[in-house]
Amino acid sequence: QKEVEQNSGPLSVPEGAIASLNCTYSDRVSQSFFWYRQYSGKSPELIMSIYSNGDKEDGRFTAQLNKASQYVSLLIRDSQPSDSATYLCAVKSSGDYKLSFGAGTTVTVRA
Amino acid sequence: DGGITQSPKYLFRKEGQNVTLSCEQNLNHDAMYWYRQDPGQGLRLIYYSQIVNDFQKGDIAEGYSVSREKKESFPLTVTSAQKNPTAFYLCATTGGLYNEQFFGPGTRLTVL
Repeated sequence: QKEVEQNSGPLSVPEGAIASLNCTYSDRVSQSFFWYRQYSGKSPELIMSIYSNGDKEDGRFTAQLNKASQYVSLLIRDSQPSDSATYLCAVKSSGDYKLSFGAGTTVTVRA
Repeated sequence: DGGITQSPKYLFRKEGQNVTLSCEQNLNHDAMYWYRQDPGQGLRLIYYSQIVNDFQKGDIAEGYSVSREKKESFPLTVTSAQKNPTAFYLCATTGGLYNEQFFGPGTRLTVL
């Protein structure tokens, strides 16, 4: 069973601050890494994917991957109240059709 | 309009009844998945299908059944054998260059 662990929440940050979410995984052959945002009562929405070591930036979101440490993170800069949601980390191995999900970290951005 | 549709959005079932949740996609994706999500928990894989007329059990398949007669459709039946079926059910497909997974809007099932 592949394990994906996320830092326990909830995470509360003031508006305009940086929210930092962490995710570790147990399977060393994992190749693809995804961050999903899930608003309460809604389905998950893919916001970032990363496949190689380093940083990947998309607007206010930055994903960071370190395969040696089996660690992937998501930074949300200039946090807005609309960023309040649960963020799910997901991991996929090469050639595998399945994703393994973490339990999620709930972020609350307070105005 | 391309996408993944699930119906119904809300479903109420009496104990002992079987119910079928619909999932349709027009993205031309080969792989389709069913997940279950319980409050405060992550997603758990029920079944998945990589091609028509073939499917595999996920981590929590007991009490569920699926079929994949068409590429566009992957219905999930929650049988009376599923002891705790109240949950949020999510259908997903995989596609694109990096096999990213996309979700439908979900069906919330409540057993009365």
